[in-house]
Amino acid sequence: GAVVSQHPSWVICKSGTSVKIECRSLDFQATTMFWYRQFPKKSLMLMATSNEGSKATYEQGVEKDKFLINHASLTLSTLTVTSAHPEDSSFYICSARDYVGNFGNIQYFGAGTRLSVL
Amino acid sequence: SQQGEEDPQALSIQEGENATMNCSYKTSINNLQWYRQNSGRGLVHLILIRSNEREKHSGRLRVTLDTSKKSSSLLITASRAADTASYFCATDAINAGKSTFGDGTTLTVKP
Repeated sequence: GAVVSQHPSWVICKSGTSVKIECRSLDFQATTMFWYRQFPKKSLMLMATSNEGSKATYEQGVEKDKFLINHASLTLSTLTVTSAHPEDSSFYICSARDYVGNFGNIQYFGAGTRLSVL
Repeated sequence: SQQGEEDPQALSIQEGENATMNCSYKTSINNLQWYRQNSGRGLVHLILIRSNEREKHSGRLRVTLDTSKKSSSLLITASRAADTASYFCATDAINAGKSTFGDGTTLTVKP
């Protein structure tokens, strides 16, 4: 299957600093990427849909000024957690959507980023 | 309840036994996908079944799809301890623009 690379896999930062997470589709072009947050033993919570060349679409309750998304190319989307606080500590996962023809789309996932804010 | 709900929430079996997980959804779909997630890792795509398919195999995995009942099942045969993980189904609904994930089934395979 297609490969999605997510970096870094683990980051520790001080409260008030910003952290950038990168998501790259390595062997296909993705006009659409997604950013999820996952709490321990819980399902994925969609934060936003990232569209190449346009503004991201945020889910209800997600602060767009806090979670900045940039999708500047067909293979790269970034999520920046601005002025991070301990409550932002979580597991963040990106995915990239690939079109599979007449039967819709499939999402391939990165390995996730564990963010710990001290 | 949301699109793509797995059942059971948790399943514990002995190595060598078969594991069956079910997924129900609500709207018409283009396809349905199953993913595996090991603890602290991303989701790994296992298998995709199209809306016009009824059954699909991949190694020890067997997936069925019943669009009339809006349900799917994932069967893992001859389970191994390494199969211990959470399994999610995801539906690509028609005109949805994104896949919708259920809460997952946590599978524990005891050696």
